[in-house]
Amino acid sequence: AQTVTQSQPEMSVQEAETVTLSCTYDTSESDYYLFWYKQPPSRQMILVIRQEAYKQQNATENRFSVNFQKAAKSFSLKISDSQLGDAAMYFCAYRRGTSGSRLTFGEGTQLTVNP
Amino acid sequence: DAGVIQSPRHEVTEMGQEVTLRCKPISGHNSLFWYRQTMMRGLELLIYFNNNVPIDDSGMPEDRFSAKMPNASFSTLKIQPSEPRDSAVYFCASSPFRGADEQFFGPGTRLTVL
Repeated sequence: AQTVTQSQPEMSVQEAETVTLSCTYDTSESDYYLFWYKQPPSRQMILVIRQEAYKQQNATENRFSVNFQKAAKSFSLKISDSQLGDAAMYFCAYRRGTSGSRLTFGEGTQLTVNP
Repeated sequence: DAGVIQSPRHEVTEMGQEVTLRCKPISGHNSLFWYRQTMMRGLELLIYFNNNVPIDDSGMPEDRFSAKMPNASFSTLKIQPSEPRDSAVYFCASSPFRGADEQFFGPGTRLTVL
């Protein structure tokens, strides 16, 4: 079974600074996808960024980027120029490559952004 | 598109009562997922459907839980009888049945069983 681990229950960052959230996963599959979701206090789950395992290039979305280390099964999220609106719970998630597959989530990291 | 629609947004009920949660996926999406979020267990999959057919219901806690998808635009999650430990936020998500397409989540239903 696939597992996803986020070892940082809480993180904090100063506004405009950079923060990195960690995620590791375990799988025997070769075809899979990794995601970071954001859950603000409104509890709406919002996709931040995704990474296809077959791609060597790290995904980026504006201020958000990932460091995907396939051999180490590591998938960290870097938030640059942090903004107050980035404060939220962040979930790392894994999905098999098969279409229509479920997501397996990590425990989440609560990010606080200090003004 | 209106996104994934869930109703009700909040539900407060008493132990032993039947609870029905509803979900309307995004039009054209072939996969539908029910997740539950609690402090103790985090986000966990309960059941998911592809093309209205249940694929994996191994996450359904027990026989008190049942889910149906009678057509491509509607799904229900029913708890009968409800218990206080069922209190959680229940999310419905949908996605197209292909590749790396993301799952789009509804706003969730916060269920409180007294």
